[in-house]
Amino acid sequence: DILMTQSPLSLPVTPGEPASISCRSGRTLLGCDGYNCLSWYLQKPGHSPQLLIYWGSNRASGVPDRFSGSGSGTDFTLTISRVEAEDVGVYYCMQALQTPYTFGQGTKLEIK
Amino acid sequence: QLQLQQSGPGLVKPSQTLSLTCAISGDSVSSNIAAWNWFRQSPSRGLEWLGRTYYRSKWYNDYAVSVKSRIAINPDTSKNQFSLHLSSVTPEDTAVYYCTRGHRHQYFDLWGRGTLVTVSS
Repeated sequence: DILMTQSPLSLPVTPGEPASISCRSGRTLLGCDGYNCLSWYLQKPGHSPQLLIYWGSNRASGVPDRFSGSGSGTDFTLTISRVEAEDVGVYYCMQALQTPYTFGQGTKLEIK
Repeated sequence: QLQLQQSGPGLVKPSQTLSLTCAISGDSVSSNIAAWNWFRQSPSRGLEWLGRTYYRSKWYNDYAVSVKSRIAINPDTSKNQFSLHLSSVTPEDTAVYYCTRGHRHQYFDLWGRGTLVTVSS
């Protein structure tokens, strides 16, 4: 199985400030039709995970442009340019290069 | 409206079979692009992929090794839905179960609301 490692696991942020989450995979994730098989999800309290970013850097439909994804191969970053109160929850990276699909441990973003 | 509607019991006795259904609106279980997956989430195991079914001129299934001997995911074209069956459950199978749509096996853009299933006598 491909190991996914996120950091930090806890992220307190002041509203209006930027935030970044790192995700590292145990092997290169290039392979989804030439794209990185890496997606980011946000799970708000009491809700299902929702897709934010796919192929490492493409925003999903309806996702605010303050969210961006970068990276390639084994190292990826999710950046929120200006955190808002509605961004609280747990953020997960996930690899889809091979089954079983695997997730990072999750990063809990909270508002200071 | 594009959505996945989950249904099934929230309590299952040990050694019995857990069965959940996911009804699809706004897409087709026979889509040649989508794959229909089940995940679960528990405090001890985090988010865990269980398996998938998909149609590419014929039906395919893939399952996680951890549950392969106990799991079946079945499409139902007449009702445009798919189901999860997990047999011989133990308390370790207690979790929130999610059905999802996978886009070309590359990312998951649609999730059900989740069903908390507790395994207890």
